[in-house]
Order: sequence, then C-alpha cells, then structure tokens
Amino acid sequence: GQQVMQIPQYQHVQEGEDFTTYCNSSTTLSNIQWYKQRPGGHPVFLIQLVKSGEVKKQKRLTFQFGEAKKNSSLHITATQTTDVGTYFCAMDSNYQLIWGAGTKLIIKP
Amino acid sequence: KAGVTQTPRYLIKTRGQQVTLSCSPISGHRSVSWYQQTPGQGLQFLFEYFSETQRNKGNFPGRFSGRQFSNSRSEMNVSTLELGDSALYLCASRPGGGYTGELFFGEGSRLTVL
Repeated sequence: GQQVMQIPQYQHVQEGEDFTTYCNSSTTLSNIQWYKQRPGGHPVFLIQLVKSGEVKKQKRLTFQFGEAKKNSSLHITATQTTDVGTYFCAMDSNYQLIWGAGTKLIIKP
Repeated sequence: KAGVTQTPRYLIKTRGQQVTLSCSPISGHRSVSWYQQTPGQGLQFLFEYFSETQRNKGNFPGRFSGRQFSNSRSEMNVSTLELGDSALYLCASRPGGGYTGELFFGEGSRLTVL
C-alpha cells in the first residue's frame, strides 16, 4: 500500500537552532498536509500543499513540496520552546490520511 | 463554533471487555474518521464515515467497528479487548463530500486495557 516515509524520528536542537523534517513517497502525491502534535495533545493542522514546487511560509515555518510531488519538507528557523512537539506529514488518499511516522522536536536544556 | 468532542476522555478496561467511544463532529461537518495512535505504530486509520455510510476502512480486525448517525455523530466499538488495543483513539471531522483539506481532531479517548 501507499506509504510516506518521514525522517528523522527525533531531532534534538538548542533553542535558536533550526529544525527540518522530511517526507518521501514512492508515488506521486495529490497533496500533502502537515500537522503538529504537542505532548499530550492531538494533531493540529498546519498547512496543505498541492502544487508542484510549492513553497509556503508561516512566520518561522517554511513548507516545501517537491517538483515531482514525491517529497516535502518542513523547516523551522530559530526554534523556540513553543515549537516542541511532533510534526507529521500526511497524504490524503481515498478519504483517509496516510501518516508519516512523525519527527519529534526536542529542545535541549 | 464548538470543536470535535470525544467522550470519554479516559477509560480503563480489562481484556475481553468491549468499549464504545463517541465523537461529535464540528457542526456542519458530515465526514468523521477515526484513527488509532500508539507509540509503536503511529497514527493508523480505522474508518471514515460520510452521511452514515462507511466509505473506507483501515486494516484492523473485525473487532473494530463503527457507525455514524443521521446527525453526523459517530461511535466506534471495540469488542473482546486485547492488551494491544491500549491506545489513543482520535476522531476527526471535516465538511465531507469531495473535500480533502484540513482534518479537525478531537482531544481523543485514551483507552488502557489491563
């Protein structure tokens, strides 16, 4: 079946450093969505990318969709403690979302 | 507008029992989907309902079932509980039809099976 591979599983950063998570699919994606889940919380929608090569920004967050629509990335500039959580990519297929495994952002003390 | 409401939030059951979880979607949303989240398996799709019809089902045993009512509220049931069913069960809604945008999640029902 369809799968979305997401790496890395964890990323430890000092506050102020950047963070990036990547998602890859073997098949062409119609769209990709990104969600954030805070510890103890539920997934919250961040953005949806639809167009080939699309780049969208939300303050310190930059989302990219690959030219071939088979990969996507989320980059956070100058992380803050409020960024802590797990970031998931998800592809929409036949009324369901197929999720990446998530990347957990951990701020080093 | 009220968000997605799931009840109960926490519950503890023993092996062999059954459990029913409830989900009230955002007003006007007709699509309700359910996901199981565990540390080992991540987020796994259970099923999706639209206008009382199941449109898709994930790869779970028949012990997992669901339904949707005419007011779009949904329930899922797990019978003959196993230890491995311990998980956070998340319900999500969206307007439905052909809409493929944002999923709005509830807080989840955390099930512990002893």
